[in-house]
Amino acid sequence: DGGITQSPKYLFRKEGQNVTLSCEQNLNHDAMYWYRQDPGQGLRLIYYSQIVNDFQKGDIAEGYSVSREKKESFPLTVTSAQKNPTAFYLCASSPAGIVETQYFGPGTRLLVL
Amino acid sequence: GNSVTQMEGPVTLSEEAFLTINCTYTATGYPSLFWYVQYPGEGLQLLLKATKADDKGSNKGFEATYRKETTSFHLEKGSVQVSDSAVYFCALSDQRGGADGLTFGKGTHLIIQP
Repeated sequence: DGGITQSPKYLFRKEGQNVTLSCEQNLNHDAMYWYRQDPGQGLRLIYYSQIVNDFQKGDIAEGYSVSREKKESFPLTVTSAQKNPTAFYLCASSPAGIVETQYFGPGTRLLVL
Repeated sequence: GNSVTQMEGPVTLSEEAFLTINCTYTATGYPSLFWYVQYPGEGLQLLLKATKADDKGSNKGFEATYRKETTSFHLEKGSVQVSDSAVYFCALSDQRGGADGLTFGKGTHLIIQP
């Protein structure tokens, strides 16, 4: 079955530690996105990528980094510079320029120890 | 910039009641409008969409009409079920087809009691 997988489902981060969230899709989509979800805040865009080896900052990119070395993978690193990382992180993908067919993964919940 | 405003929750209704969740937007040009649904612990699923003024999106008994004159896209359902309990997000994409991602409202938590 085609879809988007995110791992792990839960992730714990210690102070000063970088952690990486995985996002993989087998839908052959060109575009991939990372959103952060906080209670009562809706979803906010962190980074997006329209093509391999290229990505752009979204509205809240500070403290995060991404890479897009393969079409099917778009990992997100939460760095130690992100002072409030506790949130639900959602990855999405779509065919290039057709965001209304955007598909979401099941999400990763990041908690700080 | 673009923005989406939707009614605060939680919204609590009895089974078979009529549902309306209000959504208004601010955007330049002619955005596409969406409703997404999120069940507990899961990602978002597209519920319905409308891409131009006066279009009506519909799915699973839910409907929403793109009203450019009132910049609104209210979600309605005639008879809700317990299984409709979820968080509902209104969203828009800009006139470039949303290449920069979607703009979401804060979400409305819907609780349906038997």
